[in-house]
Amino acid sequence: SQTIHQWPATLVQPVGSPLSLECTVEGTSNPNLYWYRQAAGRGLQLLFYSVGIGQISSEVPQNLSASRPQDRQFILSSKKLLLSDSGFYLCAWSPESYEQYFGPGTRLTVT
Amino acid sequence: AQSVAQPEDQVNVAEGNPLTVKCTYSVSGNPYLFWYVQYPNRGLQFLLKYITGDNLVKGSYGFEAEFNKSQTSFHLKKPSALVSDSALYFCAVRDWAGGGNKLTFGTGTQLKVEL
Repeated sequence: SQTIHQWPATLVQPVGSPLSLECTVEGTSNPNLYWYRQAAGRGLQLLFYSVGIGQISSEVPQNLSASRPQDRQFILSSKKLLLSDSGFYLCAWSPESYEQYFGPGTRLTVT
Repeated sequence: AQSVAQPEDQVNVAEGNPLTVKCTYSVSGNPYLFWYVQYPNRGLQFLLKYITGDNLVKGSYGFEAEFNKSQTSFHLKKPSALVSDSALYFCAVRDWAGGGNKLTFGTGTQLKVEL
């Protein structure tokens, strides 16, 4: 069966510091991968998605970037965090059958 | 552009009563529709989907959803609510624009099941 991991689970970072969040998927190959941000426990904002290694599409211009160095690894990064980057970050993967499966999330607080 | 609307921010139901969480959609072409549930500080869990076929779709944890093309709705239902069903529920639709198998989510409905 497939499993999706995210780490860390929680993170507190000062403004201006770098960020690296990692997501990995097990038990499948060549999945579509996604990064979302959820603010205030409600709406989901799609940040990036990837259909293959090195292929990244950005949905919203912002302070963040994403990379996919391996087939089942998706990384969300920032060089300098802003207060507005605080939120709950969710990684998801999708098989061919269209639904997406989400990881446990990372709670990021920028202070 | 594809979109879904969840008209209720919160739904309150007594345990044992039937529950309905509403969702309407706006798409060009055939809709691919999904329901997810989120518990506090957790990721979203997939409940069910409608792609084609029978209008009544059965999913996880006793949930079902009814696809209604004439009303452009895809309401989530359960015959008998449990306190443990209290959570945030999201409706979503597949977004065909740009490829990549993207989903567009509604704003969520908080379900509260009370004893």
